[in-house]
Amino acid sequence: NAGVTQTPKFRVLKTGQSMTLLCAQDMNHEYMYWYRQDPGMGLRLIHYSVGEGTTAKGEVPDGYNVSRLKKQNFLLGLESAAPSQTSVYFCASRPSTTSYNEQFFGPGTRLTVL
Amino acid sequence: AQKVTQAQTEISVVEKEDVTLDCVYETRDTTYYLFWYKQPPSGELVFLIRRNSFDEQNEISGRYSWNFQKSTSSFNFTITASQVVDSAVYFCALSGLISGYSTLTFGKGTMLLVSP
Repeated sequence: NAGVTQTPKFRVLKTGQSMTLLCAQDMNHEYMYWYRQDPGMGLRLIHYSVGEGTTAKGEVPDGYNVSRLKKQNFLLGLESAAPSQTSVYFCASRPSTTSYNEQFFGPGTRLTVL
Repeated sequence: AQKVTQAQTEISVVEKEDVTLDCVYETRDTTYYLFWYKQPPSGELVFLIRRNSFDEQNEISGRYSWNFQKSTSSFNFTITASQVVDSAVYFCALSGLISGYSTLTFGKGTMLLVSP
């Protein structure tokens, strides 16, 4: 099993460009999450999904959109990138059957917006 | 609202020293889980431990130990005889409900630097 994978690993964008980050998991997990990590800020939840076709806002959703068309994939979109979105993005997943919410993380995507 | 505070931003020790990383949390939930994750320089997040709110037993795993005290809302992490490979950012996290769904709230992390 590959676990949670993220594509791409690195990306540089210019202000105003758009892009989509792909998260894929092969563990048949229902719940998926997108976080951003900034220096000194820890991980902050952007959006999450509790099942195929459902998404919800987290702590810092502005400037991002998400989609969960397939259970195994969770896409994070930036429609018009801004320098403030320079960050490391982590995707995570977990099964709905556990109460303790241990999340399995992908390796991260480092995004720079110039 | 939930909150996790890791007051130590950065700690530097010399190899073989013991070091304790502090974590204080706030929650209104009666049932919750606490976690520690390690983020080495390579960047991935590595799960270390999970503890539920009903289990206040301390835990030891090799050089690692955890002290959970519900009375002080703390879940501290101690590394005994630290090694250079322990150098990483360590995150404490708390599970909780946002809009009815369970999510994790992370502290800002403590960077541990172990020098030879």
